[in-house]
Amino acid sequence: GENVEQHPSTLSVQEGDSAVIKCTYSDSASNYFPWYKQELGKGPQLIIDIRSNVGEKKDQRIAVTLNKTAKHFSLHITETQPEDSAVYFCAAGFNDMRFGAGTRLTVKP
Amino acid sequence: DGGITQSPKYLFRKEGQNVTLSCEQNLNHDAMYWYRQDPGQGLRLIYYSQIVNDFQKGDIAEGYSVSREKKESFPLTVTSAQKNPTAFYLCASSTGGGMNTEAFFGQGTRLTVV
Repeated sequence: GENVEQHPSTLSVQEGDSAVIKCTYSDSASNYFPWYKQELGKGPQLIIDIRSNVGEKKDQRIAVTLNKTAKHFSLHITETQPEDSAVYFCAAGFNDMRFGAGTRLTVKP
Repeated sequence: DGGITQSPKYLFRKEGQNVTLSCEQNLNHDAMYWYRQDPGQGLRLIYYSQIVNDFQKGDIAEGYSVSREKKESFPLTVTSAQKNPTAFYLCASSTGGGMNTEAFFGQGTRLTVV
């Protein structure tokens, strides 16, 4: 089955700086790669996703890149703000979805 | 409002007891999922169902059971066979027969064994 690894487990940045979170996956059949943001005590919410036929996708301050050959994908957040502080999860899959262990992002004002 | 609802938010169980967690969605989604979340381990898939009356084991199905008698509902039973049931449980749903579309998560149920 699919195995997703996510790094780093914690990330602290200054407000206005960029943050990058990286994930690798094992199953070449995976074709969908979403990123979720989870705030304390709540369920995760989708922030951006990418499919295997696309190499990069942007939505305002967030972007995701995918390298299918190397089986890795990354989340980029630019101009970080304190409200970006949360736990971020990557996921990968085809018919079912496997998640990374999460990255706790802290944005210091 | 459309969404996915888990209840209760907090649940306490005595050792040796079975307990059922509720998950209901009114999004008309075919697929539903249960995940377990432990600190530092992300979300681990327990069971998933792509259609009514059918479900598949995930990575950590031992000690859990599910049913999918209605499209809207996917209850999870934590049985006494689950050795370490204290965790945060998340239910999700998505369109189509697979999870290669956006998954909508409930707010979670925190289960504590006392």
